[in-house]
Amino acid sequence: DTEVTQTPKHLVMGMTNKKSLKCEQHMGHRAMYWYKQKAKKPPELMFVYSYEKLSINESVPSRFSPECPNSSLLNLHLHALQPEDSALYLCASSPGAGLETSGSYNEQFFGPGTRLTVL
Amino acid sequence: DQQVKQNSPSLSVQEGRISILNCDYTNSMFDYFLWYKKYPAEGPTFLISISSIKDKNEDGRFTVFLNKSAKHLSLHIVPSQPGDSAVYFCAASAFGNQFYFGTGTSLTVIP
Repeated sequence: DTEVTQTPKHLVMGMTNKKSLKCEQHMGHRAMYWYKQKAKKPPELMFVYSYEKLSINESVPSRFSPECPNSSLLNLHLHALQPEDSALYLCASSPGAGLETSGSYNEQFFGPGTRLTVL
Repeated sequence: DQQVKQNSPSLSVQEGRISILNCDYTNSMFDYFLWYKKYPAEGPTFLISISSIKDKNEDGRFTVFLNKSAKHLSLHIVPSQPGDSAVYFCAASAFGNQFYFGTGTSLTVIP
């Protein structure tokens, strides 16, 4: 299994809803990532988990709450989102997990993304 | 502050010709660079990479060139094919797993 899967593919939610995005990889990768991508913009890093521990939080609002239940799974819990949070949310994983590695160990494999619309 | 820049938002090339996509960076600590290809409604797909100890890496029709003194890298696709039409992102990292992405170049290969 050499891919990163994400569910759901599309999600429409209201500002008062609570929902979760899921990401899964079975490549034995040690790091997993959440990115947010708006149209015609580069992916923006949100969170990095290394060895199931949160290692980077790029000043993301608390209405986004990541969770890494195990080395293969990464969730992003959503609550009280705003319409401007509508975007493509991408999950990625890499074999390497941080400053002890470089180069090809940190190449990131991306999932197909979840297209989120907040009404 | 954008540390990785792709100054051409779009590029059109005739099928069979060479496509050259450019990327500039500002952080001299970057030591690893990647190119990703992205189709609409899909996640980015890894295409080719280069370490800062090299100045060229080739994989089939794709070649990446790195000019460290100019802080510039380029992706050459030859010959270009209609299936290459996509958005191409360059990304760079210093020692570690945090990558910085450029804004992307939308390549259209005209049959």
